[in-house]
Amino acid sequence: DQQVKQNSPSLSVQEGRISILNCDYTNSMFDYFLWYKKYPAEGPTFLISISSIKDKNEDGRFTVFLNKSAKHLSLHIVPSQPGDSAVYFCAARGTYKYIFGTGTRLKVLA
Amino acid sequence: NAGVTQTPKFRILKIGQSMTLQCTQDMNHNYMYWYRQDPGMGLKLIYYSVGAGITDKGEVPNGYNVSRSTTEDFPLRLELAAPSQTSVYFCASSYSMFSGNSGVGAYGYTEAFFGQGTRLTVV
Repeated sequence: DQQVKQNSPSLSVQEGRISILNCDYTNSMFDYFLWYKKYPAEGPTFLISISSIKDKNEDGRFTVFLNKSAKHLSLHIVPSQPGDSAVYFCAARGTYKYIFGTGTRLKVLA
Repeated sequence: NAGVTQTPKFRILKIGQSMTLQCTQDMNHNYMYWYRQDPGMGLKLIYYSVGAGITDKGEVPNGYNVSRSTTEDFPLRLELAAPSQTSVYFCASSYSMFSGNSGVGAYGYTEAFFGQGTRLTVV
């Protein structure tokens, strides 16, 4: 049973526009959420996180929004750049471990 | 500070062979993890460890074994390689201030730091 879901396998966005990546989760006990970025042939790298006591966290061009009632989080990238093209994983911290979604491949078109 | 280091980067195994994927971290993290990534399937947890001498199964442990004799090292052992174990394997580590605590908010633990991965093909 997939506890963390990313329903869009891919997304294409024009350079300079906003990219919005979505993630849903099923376990209301999750209290910490993360986004990772992964380039081919590299390990995932941490991008941004949010605690369940917040509904928004910003870091430069990246903002994560959390809607606990809907069990939904989203990552906004503004403005999108070609270097943002990668696979993005949403993750939630469960007991002792991190649970990942299946990823969304973002392609930013120049 | 090298972070999380995995060796080898690539390996081809024949069915029935065995091998050990090495993972070491120099950040003094107490938690370590092994994930595998199959195309379109995200990252699946194989095993994890909350400290030296303590390991537990994740979602997909069958066909694998681990040990954690030191804080730094967390090797993953494949005993009888099968084609279904063809995958990319990632080791990761994180720090939790409260061992055994799932954590509250963003305090008391770090995000997981990943190694570069090992691409394993079983033929």
